[in-house]
Amino acid sequence: EDKVVQSPLSLVVHEGDTVTLNCSYEVTNFRSLLWYKQEKKAPTFLFMLTSSGIEKKSGRLSSILDKKELFSILNITATQTGDSAIYLCAALKAAGNKLTFGGGTRVLVKP
Amino acid sequence: GAGVSQSPRYKVAKRGQDVALRCDPISGHVSLFWYQQALGQGPEFLTYFQNEAQLDKSGLPSDRFFAERPEGSVSTLKIQRTQQEDSAVYLCASSPRVANNYGYTFGSGTRLTVV
Repeated sequence: EDKVVQSPLSLVVHEGDTVTLNCSYEVTNFRSLLWYKQEKKAPTFLFMLTSSGIEKKSGRLSSILDKKELFSILNITATQTGDSAIYLCAALKAAGNKLTFGGGTRVLVKP
Repeated sequence: GAGVSQSPRYKVAKRGQDVALRCDPISGHVSLFWYQQALGQGPEFLTYFQNEAQLDKSGLPSDRFFAERPEGSVSTLKIQRTQQEDSAVYLCASSPRVANNYGYTFGSGTRLTVV
């Protein structure tokens, strides 16, 4: 059975801190790993990672995939209160475009 | 449209009532997905359409759940004889035929509460 596990479940930091979110996966016919930010209801796309070892960056966010060890990390530097959200990772299968999500990490950034 | 539109935003149903949830995907997007997100959990896959064809319905939890996309655009998720365990946010997502580097676009969801 396909499985995606995120850690930690939640964390509280102060503005300016750096956070690292973890995502491990066991998925057959794996193609890519996606990260989403969910503030209210609609998850919004952050990154799609297909190749191992290549960091993707967008402003203060960055992410990397390790296809040998089957995990990905999402880093947020110089956190702001607007980064408070649930961060979801999801594994994309090669066939059918189905996403298998992890349970999410709830991040709270305090001023 | 510019994004994925779902209606209604909120739905309260009495146990045993039938409900229908609507999804308008991004114009031209071939693939459409339904996910169920229970409180405090990640979204779970329900079903997948490519145009009007339902290619995967392995995630539908019971035969009370039915989805259709008759003309390859708008989709409806129907739940018959709702139960309390059906309470969740139902998310719809669409994507081009092959997921590009921008992933899928999700709608804001319908929050279903069964009382």
